[in-house]
Amino acid sequence: GAVVSQHPSWVICKSGTSVKIECRSLDFQATTMFWYRQFPKQSLMLMATSNEGSKATYEQGVEKDKFLINHASLTLSTLTVTSAHPEDSSFYICSAKSPRGGTEAFFGQGTRLTVV
Amino acid sequence: GQNIDQPTEMTATEGAIVQINCTYQTSGFNGLFWYQQHAGEAPTFLSYNVLDGLEEKGRFSSFLSRSKGYSYLLLKELQMKDSASYLCAASDSNYQLIWGAGTKLIIKP
Repeated sequence: GAVVSQHPSWVICKSGTSVKIECRSLDFQATTMFWYRQFPKQSLMLMATSNEGSKATYEQGVEKDKFLINHASLTLSTLTVTSAHPEDSSFYICSAKSPRGGTEAFFGQGTRLTVV
Repeated sequence: GQNIDQPTEMTATEGAIVQINCTYQTSGFNGLFWYQQHAGEAPTFLSYNVLDGLEEKGRFSSFLSRSKGYSYLLLKELQMKDSASYLCAASDSNYQLIWGAGTKLIIKP
């Protein structure tokens, strides 16, 4: 199956700083990637859809100026959490659709962000 | 609105069979997914159903009834490693995944 790599796996940062999370498709080109946030014991919440070469599409209630998404190439999308606050502490996961036209999504390993 | 319902938690015994149900309401429908998620890890794909009926894949089977907006995941010969959360997700008319909250499955010896 297709491999999606997410980095870092976990990060601790101070309030007010910014954190960048990378999502790479290792063996296929992903024109579209998805960014999710998952709070403990809750389901995945779609934050935004990242499209290569164009602006990301954000879900209602997600601040686009706070969660900056850049999809500069067909294999890399980045999520930057700007001016992080403790309430931004969560598990962030990216995914990409199967390159062979299938409908399943392949997930990165996830990033555990803790803001102190 | 769009909604996915599945039980919060289930408990089963090692070696037994367990069925996890999921009901969905979406704007359009392009299939139903089941994912397994161990604590602290990303979800891994288990199954996809778009037509009515049962899809069997080893110890895991998934069933779909489009007319009833209903699916279930059947796990046989349960092993301790099957302890995880099982996420049901429906694909809507825009092929966007609508996720359930997940069912935490606890396996007891």
